[in-house]
Amino acid sequence: DGGITQSPKYLFRKEGQNVTLSCEQNLNHDAMYWYRQDPGQGLRLIYYSQIVNDFQKGDIAEGYSVSREKKESFPLTVTSAQKNPTAFYLCASMETGGRTEAFFGQGTRLTVV
Amino acid sequence: RKEVEQDPGPFNVPEGATVAFNCTYSNSASQSFFWYRQDCRKEPKLLMSVYSSGNEDGRFTAQLNRASQYISLLIRDSKLSDSATYLCVVNMAGNTGKLIFGQGTTLQV
Repeated sequence: DGGITQSPKYLFRKEGQNVTLSCEQNLNHDAMYWYRQDPGQGLRLIYYSQIVNDFQKGDIAEGYSVSREKKESFPLTVTSAQKNPTAFYLCASMETGGRTEAFFGQGTRLTVV
Repeated sequence: RKEVEQDPGPFNVPEGATVAFNCTYSNSASQSFFWYRQDCRKEPKLLMSVYSSGNEDGRFTAQLNRASQYISLLIRDSKLSDSATYLCVVNMAGNTGKLIFGQGTTLQV
């Protein structure tokens, strides 16, 4: 079945550590997105990519980095520079052109301990 | 001004009520619009796409007003299972490709 997979589902990080969240899709979508959601809040855009080897900063990119070496994969690294990383992270993909909906992974809950 | 803004919640309604949510967007070049539903601690899922002519799916009706730059969602005959957060989504498309979410409106039936 086609879909988008995020891993791990839960992640604990010590302060000062970098961690990488995985996002893989087999929907053949060109566009991929990373969002952060805090309790009771909407989704805020971190980074997005419309094509392999290219990506753009979203509204809250500071303290995060991404890569897009393959169409299927868009990993997000939460660096030690991100001062408040505890949140729910969601990855999405969609066809370019914007006429169809975005599909989401099940999310990763990151907690700093 | 935020790129996408929604009615503040929460909306608390009795079963059987009709409830409407509005969402405004700032970029007139926005090309496509959606309503998503998000249940607690889950990922968002598509509820409806929003077309210029308006569209209806059972008890749900979505409308787009490009001149005033807002979209709406109407839920008729509310059911307990409709309790969730409803997210307005705007796709800038074209060269930007930004997909922007509103902050969400919580409905409790």
